[in-house]
This record gives sequence, C-alpha cells and structure tokens, in this order.
Amino acid sequence: GAVVSQHPSRVICKSGTSVKIECRSLDFQATTMFWYRQFPKKSLMLMATSNEGSKATYEQGVEKDKFLINHASLTLSTLTVTSAHPEDSSFYICSARDTSGRNYEQYFGPGTRLTVT
Amino acid sequence: GQSLEQPSEVTAVEGAIVQINCTYQTSGFYGLSWYQQHDGGAPTFLSYNALDGLEETGRFSSFLSRSDSYGYLLLQELQMKDSASYFCAVGNTGRRALTFGSGTRLQVQP
Repeated sequence: GAVVSQHPSRVICKSGTSVKIECRSLDFQATTMFWYRQFPKKSLMLMATSNEGSKATYEQGVEKDKFLINHASLTLSTLTVTSAHPEDSSFYICSARDTSGRNYEQYFGPGTRLTVT
Repeated sequence: GQSLEQPSEVTAVEGAIVQINCTYQTSGFYGLSWYQQHDGGAPTFLSYNALDGLEETGRFSSFLSRSDSYGYLLLQELQMKDSASYFCAVGNTGRRALTFGSGTRLQVQP
C-alpha cells in the first residue's frame, strides 16, 4: 500500500518558538493532503486541507496565521506551528489519498508528537 | 455538518466476536470507513462501505445501511493484538477529508 512519512516523530520546543512538521508521500503523488490534530484518547480533528500549488483550506476555528501550511510539491506538505504555546502540545497527523488507487482510502503518516514547554 | 456516534469502550475476551456500531449524520454521503489505531500509532485503514450490505476482509467485516445512517464493524476470533481504538469515518461528496467519530476503545482480555 501507499506510504506516508512524517518528520520529526517527536519534538519538544519552548514557548514562543516555531516548529515545522513535514509530511511526505513516498510512493505516490498527492495533490491533496490533510492535517489532523489528536489529543490523548480523543478523535482526530481535521485542521486543514493542503492543496498542492494553492492555499490551504482551514477548518473553522483553526488559526491560519498560527498553523502555516505549505504544499510545494506533489509529495510534500509542511505544517509550521508558529509561536507555539503549551496548549499546542498534541499529536499531529497528516494523511493523503492516492487518487490513482482506491480513492476512498486515506493513508496516514506515523504522526508527530509535539510538546511545548 | 457531519457527526458520528460510536460507543466509547468495548471489552471482550480472546476468541470472541465483537460488534462496534456507528451512526452518522451527513449530507451528500459518500461512504463509511473504519480505521484502527493503536496507542501512539497512526490510524490504519480497515474497511469501506459505499453501498448497503456487508464487506468481509478476513476476520473483519463491515456493514452499512444507508437508509438507517448506520454501520458496524464486526471483529471475529478476537486476538490480544486487536486491542486498539476503532474509528468510523464518513466522507461526503462536497468534502474530500474524512470526518471521524470519537472512537471506540476495544480491550481484549485473555
């Protein structure tokens, strides 16, 4: 099946700094990727839809100036958490669909655990 | 918008059968998916139903009734490794992303 990678898997940063998380589709091209956030023992909440070559679409309540998304190529999307605060600590997961295959299946990256101190 | 409901926790013993139900509300229904997530891991795809009826994949089966806005995931011959969270998710024609239910934590006991 298709593989999605994320880097880093874990990151600890200080309040006020910025953190960049990369999401790559390794063996397929993804014009669209999705960024989710998950708190412990909770569901996945969609933050934004990342579109290659155009602006991301953010869900209601997600600050676009705080969570910067760039989808510069067909295999890479990045999420930058700017001016991070402790309440941004969470598990961030990206996903993508391989539209050349089963269109309904989303492939998830392994996730990035962000801790803001 | 979309909303999904599923039980928060289910406990069963090894070798047993367990059913996890999911009811949903969405416009422009596109399909119901099921994902498994182990603690600290990423969700992995289990099954998908776009049409009414049962889909079987090994020990896992998934059922959909579009008229009832209802589906379930059936896990047979439970194994300890099946202990995980299970999420139902819906897609709709206007929204490419999936909306996930709150998840059902399955605990398999010896």
